[in-house]
Amino acid sequence: NAGVTQTPKFQVLKTGQSMTLQCAQDMNHNSMYWYRQDPGMGLRLIYYSASEGTTDKGEVPNGYNVSRLNKREFSLRLESAAPSQTSVYFCASSEEPGLNQPQHFGDGTRLSIL
Amino acid sequence: GNSVTQMEGPVTLSEEAFLTINCTYTATGYPSLFWYVQYPGEGLQLLLKATKADDKGSNKGFEATYRKETTSFHLEKGSVQVSDSAVYFCALSNYGGSQGNLIFGKGTKLSVKP
Repeated sequence: NAGVTQTPKFQVLKTGQSMTLQCAQDMNHNSMYWYRQDPGMGLRLIYYSASEGTTDKGEVPNGYNVSRLNKREFSLRLESAAPSQTSVYFCASSEEPGLNQPQHFGDGTRLSIL
Repeated sequence: GNSVTQMEGPVTLSEEAFLTINCTYTATGYPSLFWYVQYPGEGLQLLLKATKADDKGSNKGFEATYRKETTSFHLEKGSVQVSDSAVYFCALSNYGGSQGNLIFGKGTKLSVKP
């Protein structure tokens, strides 16, 4: 089983360029999440989608937009990339939103903004 | 608010040594607690979880007990292997924030030498 698939795996952008990170899950999960991972910071939530058709801001949403395209796919867009957005981005999914639901993670997208 | 504090690494051990990674949390109510593991170049994988006080989560020889009185969820393993080398994240899930959101500690890097 593929689980959570993220594309691309690596990307280098110039400041001001735009980009969309793609995420798809094949587990029929209702909830999906986007995190960023920075050295010494753990993971921080950017946006999440509790169910198809809904999206909400997380801890660090500024500079990002998301689209829950359908139940399987949840994309993250950087409209005008900034060096501060250099990070590793992880998409995750869970069966339902809730306290006891473990999240399943993709392998990440390593993004560098020059 | 909700937060997770875990011991800073890196932690370097010899094979077959005993492992403890400390994790304490701050939360209102009754959060669920998780340990995730991240192997090099990969996404996070759920290692174990506990959903109520005094629960013990276990998997692959790792254990952690949910201690409400000390607000702790320390990770232990009796005999580590080289293959356990990874970054370990403690996390909690609680109401009051993004629904189903995970709050992560900063991660502890473990290196096991043969």
